[in-house]
Amino acid sequence: TQLLEQSPQFLSIQEGENLTVYCNSSSVFSSLQWYRQEPGEGPVLLVTVVTGGEVKKLKRLTFQFGDARKDSSLHITAAQPGDTGLYLCAGMDMGRRALTFGSGTRLQVQP
Amino acid sequence: DAEITQSPRHKITETGRQVTLACHQTWNHNNMFWYRQDLGHGLRLIHYSYGVQDTNKGEVSDGYSVSRSNTEDLPLTLESAASSQTSVYFCASSENQGLGSIAFFGQGTRLTVV
Repeated sequence: TQLLEQSPQFLSIQEGENLTVYCNSSSVFSSLQWYRQEPGEGPVLLVTVVTGGEVKKLKRLTFQFGDARKDSSLHITAAQPGDTGLYLCAGMDMGRRALTFGSGTRLQVQP
Repeated sequence: DAEITQSPRHKITETGRQVTLACHQTWNHNNMFWYRQDLGHGLRLIHYSYGVQDTNKGEVSDGYSVSRSNTEDLPLTLESAASSQTSVYFCASSENQGLGSIAFFGQGTRLTVV
């Protein structure tokens, strides 16, 4: 079974600060996705990265896929209270066409 | 608009009872999945299906079963509910898009086994 470890598990910061969330594995994934989940809701896709070394930007969010396709990071610039939520990384197992999820990073941004 | 819906949203049942959670999607997606979410574990795959009459076991399939009689529905059955199956259950669907496949999730069913 492929495993994904996320760090940190919890993060509480002030509005305006920057932060980085990490997603690491000993396995290679065909692609990696980042989701955001709010209380009482299902996860919602933020981005998919496919190529080793790929960097994608979504407004204040920057996603990077490691060269070896085993790790990824999510960087948020100037965090806002609306960024509060559970961030999940998920690797695509092409053998099963199913996602393996990390345990998540719970982010709270204080105004 | 296409969507994926789960029912019920909340369920309390007794140990030993059979329980079925419904999942219905109108995306016309071939792939459907069931996950459970527990604190500290993220989402773990229970069962998945690539199409009608196809079902496969995920990492935590013991005590659960699914059936796929049409494209739209993948009901999840707990044969004999146990307290360890208290969790939030999410259904998801996706197209066969390979590397860029996007999974759409339902809103979840919170199941409590007492």
